[in-house]
Amino acid sequence: GAVVSQHPSWVICKSGTSVKIECRSLDFQATTMFWYRQFPKQSLMLMATSNEGSKATYEQGVEKDKFLINHASLTLSTLTVTSAHPEDSSFYICSASSGRRDTQYFGPGTRLTVL
Amino acid sequence: SQQGEEDPQALSIQEGENATMNCSYKTSINNLQWYRQNSGRGLVHLILIRSNEREKHSGRLRVTLDTSKKSSSLLITASRAADTASYFCATDKAYNTDKLIFGTGTRLQVFP
Repeated sequence: GAVVSQHPSWVICKSGTSVKIECRSLDFQATTMFWYRQFPKQSLMLMATSNEGSKATYEQGVEKDKFLINHASLTLSTLTVTSAHPEDSSFYICSASSGRRDTQYFGPGTRLTVL
Repeated sequence: SQQGEEDPQALSIQEGENATMNCSYKTSINNLQWYRQNSGRGLVHLILIRSNEREKHSGRLRVTLDTSKKSSSLLITASRAADTASYFCATDKAYNTDKLIFGTGTRLQVFP
């Protein structure tokens, strides 16, 4: 089956620092990758959609300068949380699609804690 | 908010019982999907039902879809303790099939 990995699985950082999260599709080419954020006991909220080689499309209310997304290859997308603050603490989940538009395969998530 | 709603928010049952979760959504869709999430983990895809389908089965899972009411249900039969997780429905939009909109989720607890 399609496998998506994320790294790191958890990270703790100080306020004001930047954190990069990687999302990789291990056994398929992901033309589209999605980044979600999930607060405790809440649902997933889509942050942005990225297509390989082009700029990400951000959802309303998501600051593109704060959450930098790069999708440089068909197997890797990165999310960089710049100048992180405690309110950015959350569970970040990526998903990848091969473009069939039917199923997104989700990564295991990255728990970010900003002190 | 475009987010769908699920009920109940939480459900506790004994092993062997059936669990039913409901999902309502707001826009016309192409597909509706159900996902499971164990605590602190990523999502596992369970089943997809297309807008022209009314019922679908996969093992102990049964999903129904009523597009006239914009609702779906997920039935887990003969539940097991390992079914303990949060369950989310997710819909696409008829004109933008790439993006998924997730429901609020149902937290299922199955007691042995």
